[in-house]
Amino acid sequence: QQPVQSPQAVILREGEDAVINCSSSKALYSVHWYRQKHGEAPVFLMILLKGGEQKGHDKISASFNEKKQQSSLYLTASQLSYSGTYFCGTAQTGNQFYFGTGTSLTVIP
Amino acid sequence: GAGVSQSPRYKVAKRGQDVALRCDPISGHVSLFWYQQALGQGPEFLTYFQNEAQLDKSGLPSDRFFAERPEGSVSTLKIQRTQQEDSAVYLCASSQQGGQPQHFGDGTRLSIL
Repeated sequence: QQPVQSPQAVILREGEDAVINCSSSKALYSVHWYRQKHGEAPVFLMILLKGGEQKGHDKISASFNEKKQQSSLYLTASQLSYSGTYFCGTAQTGNQFYFGTGTSLTVIP
Repeated sequence: GAGVSQSPRYKVAKRGQDVALRCDPISGHVSLFWYQQALGQGPEFLTYFQNEAQLDKSGLPSDRFFAERPEGSVSTLKIQRTQQEDSAVYLCASSQQGGQPQHFGDGTRLSIL
């Protein structure tokens, strides 16, 4: 039930790009993306509600392939502030909400 | 308040004691979630409220865990006869409606000795 994310961890230099993938074995009705810094609460990044939807937010964007039950988060021209653990989250049947396995992103100067 | 407020921020209890964790969601938010986050893991769903109704409690790990939201605003997560495996950060999140972005509190870090 828990979505699987890849990669588990990635290290980038400032300015480099990264892609984080989220895959579910169950049908996805919507996908949320959150970032959590060490010792802090998760912070909402974006939500995708329809299959094929793409959203952008500054240099962070995401896509949602409903048919493949996958979503991807794209970070371009990474900044030091992008460091943290990224989680996708999906609503399942009923009212459960499952977070993915997480991707640790470290941006170094 | 402007954000989700949780109290206490830290709680230390001896094994076997009962604890109560409080969540004050954003005013007007209908949906409220409780999650358990172990060290190095992602948040795990515990339970969901829509107003005062607990619509899903499938994630509660045992009958020692109990949650309520009697007036549709403040919620309390109670853990009875605490065990060491209950040690974790307990996060509360609220949203305007189900499926909308969730706003998280800072969590309560629970340590069971």
